[in-house]
Amino acid sequence: QKEVEQNSGPLSVPEGAIASLNCTYSDRVSQSFFWYRQYSGKSPELIMSIYSNGDKEDGRFTAQLNKASQYVSLLIRDSQPSDSATYLCAVNLEDFNKFYFGSGTKLNVKP
Amino acid sequence: SAVISQKPSRDICQRGTSLTIQCQVDSQVTMMFWYRQQPGQSLTLIATANQGSEATYESGFVIDKFPISRPNLTFSTLTVSNMSPEDSSIYLCSVLQGADTQYFGPGTRLTVL
Repeated sequence: QKEVEQNSGPLSVPEGAIASLNCTYSDRVSQSFFWYRQYSGKSPELIMSIYSNGDKEDGRFTAQLNKASQYVSLLIRDSQPSDSATYLCAVNLEDFNKFYFGSGTKLNVKP
Repeated sequence: SAVISQKPSRDICQRGTSLTIQCQVDSQVTMMFWYRQQPGQSLTLIATANQGSEATYESGFVIDKFPISRPNLTFSTLTVSNMSPEDSSIYLCSVLQGADTQYFGPGTRLTVL
């Protein structure tokens, strides 16, 4: 059973702060890692992907991957109320093109 | 990224009936998936829609309940058969672009009375 675990939250941060979202996964063969944002009533939209250990930055978003510890995180700098959403972590087993999603962390950014 | 549309966007159905959901992509894609997302829950993969062959179903999902068609590389349908209130959910199709980047359609919100 491939598991992807996230704290369901809600995680509340003040506007302008850094939001830190974490995800752990159980399968060591997972190769690709993704963060999706899902607004209430909408479908998930891809924010970032990361494949190698270390950090990957894209604007206000930074994904961090540590394969040895089997965790991936997402940092959102200068959080805005518009960032309030549920963030889904997903891992991919490339050999099978199967994606496993975490249950999501709900983020609230307070003005 | 691919532009994906789904029809219908929402529907309210009676118990025992069937609903077919359509998914259309604006470009040819190799892999298409169907997911279910129940209220407050994460995504559960129902099946992979294979072009020209039978869909590959995940544990807990069967073809008789969720028949899938994939007649070409831009279109797929999912039918929810003999519906019960437990089938009330959001149904999402997704496509794979590149090696492993997945994009989602807008979803179909189904309510079964």
